[in-house]
Amino acid sequence: AQTVTQSQPEMSVQEAETVTLSCTYDTSESDYYLFWYKQPPSRQMILVIRQEAYKQQNATENRFSVNFQKAAKSFSLKISDSQLGDAAMYFCAYRASGTASKLTFGTGTRLQVTL
Amino acid sequence: NAGVTQTPKFRVLKTGQSMTLLCAQDMNHEYMYWYRQDPGMGLRLIHYSVGEGTTAKGEVPDGYNVSRLKKQNFLLGLESAAPSQTSVYFCASSYRGTGRTGANVLTFGAGSRLTVL
Repeated sequence: AQTVTQSQPEMSVQEAETVTLSCTYDTSESDYYLFWYKQPPSRQMILVIRQEAYKQQNATENRFSVNFQKAAKSFSLKISDSQLGDAAMYFCAYRASGTASKLTFGTGTRLQVTL
Repeated sequence: NAGVTQTPKFRVLKTGQSMTLLCAQDMNHEYMYWYRQDPGMGLRLIHYSVGEGTTAKGEVPDGYNVSRLKKQNFLLGLESAAPSQTSVYFCASSYRGTGRTGANVLTFGAGSRLTVL
């Protein structure tokens, strides 16, 4: 079974600084997708960024970028120029490619942004 | 475009009572999922459906039943609620396959907070 591990229950960053959230996963599949979801206090799950395993290039979405290390099964999220609105719970998730592939989540990292 | 809508948003039940959570999506997605979120445990899959009339068990299916009579709706039922089912429940949906834009990306509802006393 696939597992996703987020070893940092909580992280803190100052406004305008950069922070990196860690995620590792375990799978025997070769074709899969990785995601970072943000959950603010509103509880809504918001997709931040996704990465296809077959792509070597790291995904980037504005201030959010990932460091995808396929051999090490590592998928970290870097948030640059942190803003107060980035404060939230962040979940790393894995999904195998193919029929009815389900999303497996990590336990989450709570990010605090301070002035 | 409403996306994924869950009803109700909040509910308090007594042990042994039954209830149904409704999920509706207007994106013509083939796949639909029910997850539960508990503190320190992330989101765990309860049941899912790959199409109208089909359902399958996820990671934590015990105590729940589901039905997908229409493509746009996915119902989660608790026949006899227990305090251990106190949680926040999320419905999600996605397209099938990898060739379509947005495939493999789940769209989530806003969640339903259920408390069982």
